Amino acid sequence: QKEVEQDPGPLSVPEGAIVSLNCTYSNSAFQYFMWYRQYSRKGPELLMYTYSSGNKEDGRFTAQVDKSSKYISLFIRDSQPSDSATYLCAMSSNTGFQKLVFGTGTRLLVSP
Amino acid sequence: SAVISQKPSRDICQRGTSLTIQCQVDSQVTMMFWYRQQPGQSLTLIATANQGSEATYESGFVIDKFPISRPNLTFSTLTVSNMSPEDSSIYLCSVGPESDNSFGPGTRLLVL
Repeated sequence: QKEVEQDPGPLSVPEGAIVSLNCTYSNSAFQYFMWYRQYSRKGPELLMYTYSSGNKEDGRFTAQVDKSSKYISLFIRDSQPSDSATYLCAMSSNTGFQKLVFGTGTRLLVSP
Repeated sequence: SAVISQKPSRDICQRGTSLTIQCQVDSQVTMMFWYRQQPGQSLTLIATANQGSEATYESGFVIDKFPISRPNLTFSTLTVSNMSPEDSSIYLCSVGPESDNSFGPGTRLLVL
């Protein structure tokens, strides 16, 4: 069993839709949770990070962590075609986000 | 966030040869990491590049296959040695949380 599971997609939505991206994990030691966005032929770009459980909002993006269920989510409101990318969740049990463990990524396609 | 560049951006190599990938950061950073991203797989940490000492390798990766140098706080190299087609992948360098865990654009390697 992989430490971090993520549906590879693709997930296709129309412009303006609310998108929900999810990851599950098995290691209860994970304390830091991150979401990266990766455009084609580019390196991953850190979108958001959260520590332990709870929600964090940044503009159209909301990250949610439920440690009791070992489940994390990223919500994108009012999705735009420019949001089309692969979204990677990543987790770490170390202080300072060392040794990140990544999901395989979910490919999101937002059509105009 | 740090700006990270990698050279080469892509290469096609013959089996049995070696390729050295360079990673340059525009600011001094304490931590540098090397990851591999194989098609359909998650980003996997190869090693932590330590300035002034040997790199710390993750399980499944060895120094003879992936020698790493870290001569200063802004530069690191990863060599992929004695390559086989299974080494075809994207190799990315990354920095630690002091620079938002940024990633370089990656080096696309195809081994024939």
